[in-house]
Amino acid sequence: QQQVKQSPQSLIVQKGGISIINCAYENTAFDYFPWYQQFPGKGPALLIAIRPDVSEKKEGRFTISFNKSAKQFSLHIMDSQPGDSATYFCAASSYFGNEKLTFGTGTRLTIIP
Amino acid sequence: GAVVSQHPSRVICKSGTSVKIECRSLDFQATTMFWYRQFPKQSLMLMATSNEGSKATYEQGVEKDKFLINHASLTLSTLTVTSAHPEDSSFYICSASLVASTDTQYFGPGTRLTVL
Repeated sequence: QQQVKQSPQSLIVQKGGISIINCAYENTAFDYFPWYQQFPGKGPALLIAIRPDVSEKKEGRFTISFNKSAKQFSLHIMDSQPGDSATYFCAASSYFGNEKLTFGTGTRLTIIP
Repeated sequence: GAVVSQHPSRVICKSGTSVKIECRSLDFQATTMFWYRQFPKQSLMLMATSNEGSKATYEQGVEKDKFLINHASLTLSTLTVTSAHPEDSSFYICSASLVASTDTQYFGPGTRLTVL
């Protein structure tokens, strides 16, 4: 019940295209859903996060779509650039779970020219 | 803002020795710090949660006597890998959450540990 399932495992998108990564969860107590970006040999960096009271959040080229009834959320990267090539992790946590983050398995995104 | 540093960034040690890794929140006070372990091309696995001035809470399967965590202040937590063995070689990453926003975690740059 603590798992967060992430797909796809890897994704190749052309420059300028839209990259879409999906996550699904089971634990209805989760109330915070961040996305992290990680470059090789570096720690994860917080990209954008959402709470269940909204269905969408946009920051620049990054958008989270959230479907509470389906227990799914996704990251959309608009106008994808080669610099976006990295591994992306979705995560979830709950206030009553002491804020521990449960991470998805990661998606390796490659943007090709 | 919200910068977390780790030291060292890389360490190579001989089997049987102990290694200490520091995690610091540079521009904020952190109520809670977390330690993760990440194997190549895998996700982050939470090892333990530490709160300033209290004992760390370890995840199931993590040996508390092998991975010693000390959280001496609101800006510093340390992880000591005792009697390290080659299987302990991994990427260790800490994170810290702000006092006023306990769910947002900011991650350090990680420490690459190689045990020979």
